[in-house]
Amino acid sequence: GAVVSQHPSWVICKSGTSVKIECRSLDFQATTMFWYRQFPKQSLMLMATSNEGSKATYEQGVEKDKFLINHASLTLSTLTVTSAHPEDSSFYICSARRGYGTEAFFGQGTRLTVV
Amino acid sequence: AQKVTQAQTEISVVEKEDVTLDCVYETRDTTYYLFWYKQPPSGELVFLIRRNSFDEQNEISGRYSWNFQKSTSSFNFTITASQVVDSAVYFCALNGRGSEKLVFGKGMKLTVNP
Repeated sequence: GAVVSQHPSWVICKSGTSVKIECRSLDFQATTMFWYRQFPKQSLMLMATSNEGSKATYEQGVEKDKFLINHASLTLSTLTVTSAHPEDSSFYICSARRGYGTEAFFGQGTRLTVV
Repeated sequence: AQKVTQAQTEISVVEKEDVTLDCVYETRDTTYYLFWYKQPPSGELVFLIRRNSFDEQNEISGRYSWNFQKSTSSFNFTITASQVVDSAVYFCALNGRGSEKLVFGKGMKLTVNP
């Protein structure tokens, strides 16, 4: 299957700092990329949907100023957690799709710990 | 509204047992897609299968099989002769007509004990 690479796989940062997570689709052009957050023993919570060159669409309750998403190209999307706090600690996962009806491929996930 | 229900939250079996993971979905769309994903302890979701709403044929892939029943809005997943490596969280997902998003169920944790 297609490969989606997410980096870093884990990061520890101090409270108040910002962290950037990259998501790349390595072998296909992703018309749409998604960012999820997953709490322990819970399902995936969709944070936002991004299309190349346009602003991300955030789900209700997700702070767009805190979770900045940039989808600069058809193969790269970034999520920046700004002014991180311990409650932002979580497992963040990106995925990429070619379009409606196609399967989504997922990155390896990033475990963020804010201390 | 679209919804995916995985009623089982956790199942524990002994190796070589067969196990079926249930998935019931809700949608008003006549055209839609269904998916199953596996999330092993490493965390990365692995795509297993995609099925469109017009294809009700059951699918078999090795020890995995899927039963799609539109009449009951179900898309169940059976693992035959389970192995320890099958231990993971399994997610069922729905993609409604024209939508970019996948709607996921809450997932079902399968533990296969040796």
